[in-house]
Amino acid sequence: NAGVMQNPRHLVRRRGQEARLRCSPMKGHSHVYWYRQLPEEGLKFMVYLQKENIIDESGMPKERFSAEFPKEGPSILRIQQVVRGDSAAYFCASSPDAEETQYFGPGTRLLVL
Amino acid sequence: SQKIEQNSEALNIQEGKTATLTCNYTNYSPAYLQWYRQDPGRGPVFLLLIRENEKEKRKERLKVTFDTTLKQSLFHITASQPADSATYLCALDSAGGTSYGKLTFGQGTILTVHP
Repeated sequence: NAGVMQNPRHLVRRRGQEARLRCSPMKGHSHVYWYRQLPEEGLKFMVYLQKENIIDESGMPKERFSAEFPKEGPSILRIQQVVRGDSAAYFCASSPDAEETQYFGPGTRLLVL
Repeated sequence: SQKIEQNSEALNIQEGKTATLTCNYTNYSPAYLQWYRQDPGRGPVFLLLIRENEKEKRKERLKVTFDTTLKQSLFHITASQPADSATYLCALDSAGGTSYGKLTFGQGTILTVHP
């Protein structure tokens, strides 16, 4: 059973460009979570999704950030018009149920030049 | 406001000793608490989950305690090995509301086990 997959593993963007981060949850998992880890800081919750629904986006900036988890395909975290402060490691996690253990992917390291 | 604190940023111990890491929280009523391990450049890996009605949980050389009165969890690694060197994160989930599954993480403790 493959683990949580994220791609790309590393992403370099210039200021003003768009960043698209993909997450394929573990097989059988319908709950997806996105977290951000800034340099020298802890993991911060961004958004929690189930298939086709955003359940909790309280940790996601109101502007420029969006997330989706379509019926088919991976979950996407989209950052429009990136700024240097968006440089961070973005982790996706999945679980079979909301109260179960979360399994994390390897992360996408975004660098904004 | 809600707060989680892991007692020390870094902990250095000798191989074979027991490592004890602390996680304190305020203004939370967690349904459960989890401990994760994170190695440099990698995602967190789940270690143990303990529920609010459980006092202690064990898994091989790992032991977690959960004191909801003190609002504290202790994480122990017995017979520590250099391979146990990593950052250890505690994470809380709150009961009630609509945000089941939303984890709030502590800042982590960097454990180094010296041979």
